[in-house]
Amino acid sequence: KAGVTQTPRYLIKTRGQQVTLSCSPISGHRSVSWYQQTPGQGLQFLFEYFSETQRNKGNFPGRFSGRQFSNSRSEMNVSTLELGDSALYLCASSLEGQDYGYTFGSGTRLTVV
Amino acid sequence: KQEVTQIPAALSVPEGENLVLNCSFTDSAIYNLQWFRQDPGKGLTSLLLIQSSQREQTSGRLNASLDKSSGRSTLYIAASQPGDSATYLCAAELSGTYKYIFGTGTRLKVLA
Repeated sequence: KAGVTQTPRYLIKTRGQQVTLSCSPISGHRSVSWYQQTPGQGLQFLFEYFSETQRNKGNFPGRFSGRQFSNSRSEMNVSTLELGDSALYLCASSLEGQDYGYTFGSGTRLTVV
Repeated sequence: KQEVTQIPAALSVPEGENLVLNCSFTDSAIYNLQWFRQDPGKGLTSLLLIQSSQREQTSGRLNASLDKSSGRSTLYIAASQPGDSATYLCAAELSGTYKYIFGTGTRLKVLA
């Protein structure tokens, strides 16, 4: 059974550019969440989608956005990149969220220079 | 506002020891609590999920308990091995929020 797949694994971008990260959940999982991990702030919640609807959003600027497609795959986009956006971005999938726990992918390491 | 704290921040033990990692949360109305391990530069591996109606979960050498009234969860690792060396994270979810609040983690090193 394939796990949560995140692409790409590594990215280097320049300040001011935009970036799109992709997440393919475990087959049958309809909930996809995104988290940002930095040494200073730890793991912070970005947003959660279920059946193409955003159910919750974390406290991040509007430069961070996401969406979910009908096949449950999800993308997150960061526009006008800043140095502080350098982080490990983790995606998690769940059958429906809440009672089922979450399975995380290996993450995308974004470096902004 | 839910806050999750993990103590200690780092722990170094000789191989074979039994150990306890602690996780405290401020809002007792949590729904689920999940323990993860993270190896350097990697994603999170789920260890144990304690659902809202449960108080304890066990998997192999791992046992996790949840006491909502006191705002605490503990992860017990029996007979520790060098392969257990990693950062351990607990995450709490409030009902209807569909998000985890993560603790800052305990970095464990098991010496051979």
